Amino acid sequence: QVTLRESGPALVKPTQTLTLTCTFSGFSLSTSGMCVSWIRQPPGKALEWLARIDWDDDKYYLTSLKTRLTISKDTSKNQVVLTMTNMDPVDTATYYCARSNVGVPDYWGQGTLVTVSS
Amino acid sequence: DIQMTQSPSSLSASVGDRVTITCRASQSISSYLNWYQQKSGKAPKLLIYAASSLQSGVPSRFSGSGSGTDFTLSISSLQPEDFATYYCQQSYSIPRTFGQGTKVEIK
Repeated sequence: QVTLRESGPALVKPTQTLTLTCTFSGFSLSTSGMCVSWIRQPPGKALEWLARIDWDDDKYYLTSLKTRLTISKDTSKNQVVLTMTNMDPVDTATYYCARSNVGVPDYWGQGTLVTVSS
Repeated sequence: DIQMTQSPSSLSASVGDRVTITCRASQSISSYLNWYQQKSGKAPKLLIYAASSLQSGVPSRFSGSGSGTDFTLSISSLQPEDFATYYCQQSYSIPRTFGQGTKVEIK
């Protein structure tokens, strides 16, 4: 059974760095074709893909946020970590991690709401 | 980046109606198109991948079609549990862009 769970702070201050952890089970990020992505959704708005890390440690980022994002994995812990620097109130959103198998995000975590406010 | 445009943004329909949602890509994405259903406060759920392949466990009243730049999601007979927001997403290139969503409401 594939499960993913996001964890991290619910509230961050402007200019701070956000660190989110995706802890998963039911698959290995060492398996060829497996990837984990981060997607966010501001309240009442559409989904926005942010970043992806592949089984071979290739990493991909949303162009407009590339300078602020870092994605990494710890295969032994079954975790993927996303950091986003210089947080702003417009970054307030629910952040999801999702597994992709051969390119299609098929399992998602329940999401974690991050509010950026002083 | 590839832009994904859905239409309509919202629609009202009755139980039993046939519903069609369209998604247009700003360039050809072959059949690299996925559809998701999202209910309020929940994570998106994969319905259709590769434009027309039904994800395991998804009812057969859902179907997808299209290739290139134009795609459709159809619900053959709308059920009460289908009232939700639907998103398309291209998996042709990075970044994996989503449409703006189509909200299906009760008429």
